[in-house]
Amino acid sequence: SQQGEEDPQALSIQEGENATMNCSYKTSINNLQWYRQNSGRGLVHLILIRSNEREKHSGRLRVTLDTSKKSSSLLITASRAADTASYFCATTLGGFGNEKLTFGTGTRLTIIP
Amino acid sequence: DAGVTQSPTHLIKTRGQQVTLRCSPKSGHDTVSWYQQALGQGPQFIFQYYEEEERQRGNFPDRFSGHQFPNYSSELNVNALLLGDSALYLCASSSAEGGQFFGPGTRLTVL
Repeated sequence: SQQGEEDPQALSIQEGENATMNCSYKTSINNLQWYRQNSGRGLVHLILIRSNEREKHSGRLRVTLDTSKKSSSLLITASRAADTASYFCATTLGGFGNEKLTFGTGTRLTIIP
Repeated sequence: DAGVTQSPTHLIKTRGQQVTLRCSPKSGHDTVSWYQQALGQGPQFIFQYYEEEERQRGNFPDRFSGHQFPNYSSELNVNALLLGDSALYLCASSSAEGGQFFGPGTRLTVL
């Protein structure tokens, strides 16, 4: 079963705008990660945030984590056409290396040129 | 340095048949995990292999089995295929030090 859900399920914005996706999960976690998937192919790891962190940045990506609400958000700033993809959050109960990933249902992001 | 590779890219089978999917991990990785992704859904964990043994298993029937070889590559076998087994099968490799790196996947269609 899925650990959580992303919201919205689909999002379309103009190129240059910011995109925000949310993820909710059900159980206590060790860390939460965001992945990107293009056209139903392999997943690309974007960023990881640990349960004791509240915010993390990587380039145009900003991730926040609220463990009290069991939720996370991914912000992509100054969106580009190449950002069009599906985005998934995934949680683990243990360390980053080998723990199984429990994925949400994904947000399909479309950037309109 | 090649990343995670999977073969074949696409596969079409009929109900009741058996299928074997293959995965070669990223160099330096010793652990392989398999995930099933149905259309429009997030990936679901099938099982994980380390030191040639199944270390963790998700909620999948015994029709799903696997193997890891001494060179760390892995196979996923599915017996008695059902229509519902149609999905993208993803392999991820990892080590204790780093995160999980995914391959491009094998798209299985069961007719």
